[in-house]
Order: sequence, then C-alpha cells, then structure tokens
Amino acid sequence: IAGITQAPTSQILAAGRRMTLRCTQDMRHNAMYWYRQDLGLGLRLIHYSNTAGTTGKGEVPDGYSVSRANTDDFPLTLASAVPSQTSVYFCASSMSGTDTQYFGPGTRLTVL
Amino acid sequence: GQNIDQPTEMTATEGAIVQINCTYQTSGFNGLFWYQQHAGEAPTFLSYNVLDGLEEKGRFSSFLSRSKGYSYLLLKELQMKDSASYLCAALDSNYQLIWGAGTKLIIKP
Repeated sequence: IAGITQAPTSQILAAGRRMTLRCTQDMRHNAMYWYRQDLGLGLRLIHYSNTAGTTGKGEVPDGYSVSRANTDDFPLTLASAVPSQTSVYFCASSMSGTDTQYFGPGTRLTVL
Repeated sequence: GQNIDQPTEMTATEGAIVQINCTYQTSGFNGLFWYQQHAGEAPTFLSYNVLDGLEEKGRFSSFLSRSKGYSYLLLKELQMKDSASYLCAALDSNYQLIWGAGTKLIIKP
C-alpha cells in the first residue's frame, strides 16, 4: 500500500441496506476524515478522528457512523442507506489536525 | 456562518496567466489551502498560506491577505493539463477545513 486507499471504488445500493466504506492509510497519520462531495457543493465533512480511539462529528454526520480501532483504518458505515446519501465519498488523512490533508481515490455510491 | 466564495467557472487560453480568487469568512483562521481536482479524481494539495503574502511554487503561486479575508491562486504558462477544478479551503478555529465549491478552469488551445 502506498498512501491512502478506499474500497469499493463504486457501489450501487438498495435503500435500507447497510454499507461500510473502507479506508486504509499507511503513512502513520494520526488524523483521518470522511467527506462527501456533491455537484455544486464544497466537500462536506461527515466525521473525523484526530487519533486512534477517538472520533468526532463533522458538518453532516446524520445517518453515518465511524470507528477508529487503530491508526491505519477508518471505516464509514451507513446503517440504513437513503437516496440522499448518493454521493462521492472521500477519505483523507493528515499527520495532525492542522496539517495538509491527503485524499484517497474516492468511492462513488449510488443509493436507489 | 462560515463561508467560502470562489467563481464557479473560468476560461483561459493555453500559455496565458489566470488568477482564481477566493474570499472566506470563518470563525477563527488557521490557514488557507488550495487543492487541484481533475474530473473523477481526488483532490491533490497545491499550496498552504498562513501568513500574508505570496508563496511561489513553480508555475503556481498563492497569495493571502488575512485582513481582507482574501486569497488567490495564480497559474502561469497554462497547459492543457491544468484544466481542472481548483478548491479553496480555510482552516477554522476548531482546525476543521471549510471548503469552497471549487472553480472549474477550462483551458482552450
């Protein structure tokens, strides 16, 4: 692994289903983030983690949950997907909360 | 509330210079980032300014005026590969990035 990876690349999901988006980084960064990007809007922060074992809510956390069991992994779970969660999801990481954020390739999610 | 404003779209000619402006209103300020995002790809870091003035990095330069809540990204000697969206983001007092919607830059031959 080099940098930050996300899986799956894309997914079509039926409304009401549970889905986990995976994010892994090998840069030993302390902070990790989940964003969603919708056409015409800026990146919006869903959840973040400043260090392993801690998480926080961003601007649009409703309907999403995260965990940070270790430094490398930061999965995002949609407990019961709804069509408004159709979006491109980016995971990012940084050495600390004040440093440059580096982004994964993104997951394109469609909820029908 | 917190807000980042930047033009939606700009067009420029290959070989020319273009300036993309960004104004910000945030609760506290801990720096201003510029990212480049090609269509269908992830944002990639271009520059970071926390002090007033101009930071030059090759063909790209970024300027910050904290008193005016204003930044710009200057791209020189434009190439076709510079066609992308350019995202402005300000780090607020809680050290969260507030993002603009991005400026789509179209380069014409």
